[in-house]
Amino acid sequence: DGGITQSPKYLFRKEGQNVTLSCEQNLNHDAMYWYRQDPGQGLRLIYYSQIVNDFQKGDIAEGYSVSREKKESFPLTVTSAQKNPTAFYLCASRDSGANQPQHFGDGTRLSIL
Amino acid sequence: AQKITQTQPGMFVQEKEAVTLDCTYDTSDPSYGLFWYKQPSSGEMIFLIYQGSYDQQNATEGRYSLNFQKARKSANLVISASQLGDSAMYFCAMREVENFNKFYFGSGTKLNVKP
Repeated sequence: DGGITQSPKYLFRKEGQNVTLSCEQNLNHDAMYWYRQDPGQGLRLIYYSQIVNDFQKGDIAEGYSVSREKKESFPLTVTSAQKNPTAFYLCASRDSGANQPQHFGDGTRLSIL
Repeated sequence: AQKITQTQPGMFVQEKEAVTLDCTYDTSDPSYGLFWYKQPSSGEMIFLIYQGSYDQQNATEGRYSLNFQKARKSANLVISASQLGDSAMYFCAMREVENFNKFYFGSGTKLNVKP
């Protein structure tokens, strides 16, 4: 089945530690996105990538980093500089075309130990 | 200024009745797209319906329809014949032509369907 796979489903981070969230898609989409969702709130854009080896900062990029070495993969690293990383993280991809929606993975819940 | 505003944090509806979830947007782009997503308690985001700014007719997808009023900049989601499985968070989102790949999301409306 085509779709977006995020792993792990749950992740715990210690103080001062970097952690990486995985996002893989087999939909052959060019564009990929990372969002952060805090309890009871909407989605805030962290980073997005329109094509391999290219990505742009979203509204809350500080403390996060990404790479896009392959079309299928868009991992997100939450660095120790992100002081409040506890949140639900959603990855999405999108086909080209004005009316194309984003397709989302099932998310990763990140907590501080 | 907020690009997308959803003014109803929570809504209740009786099973089998219709419900309208409000969404207003702010843009100066002549071309834009509006999307509605459903987020059950499990967390995944499910695409429901799309409306383009130049579409002449309101979009419909099964029990979902979009009441698009361009002059008022509103794109309200109407769910007909509510079911218990419709209980979820609902998010309105917009994409502008200025930045084709950037989506703006509202804060969401939590819908509870009562049996």
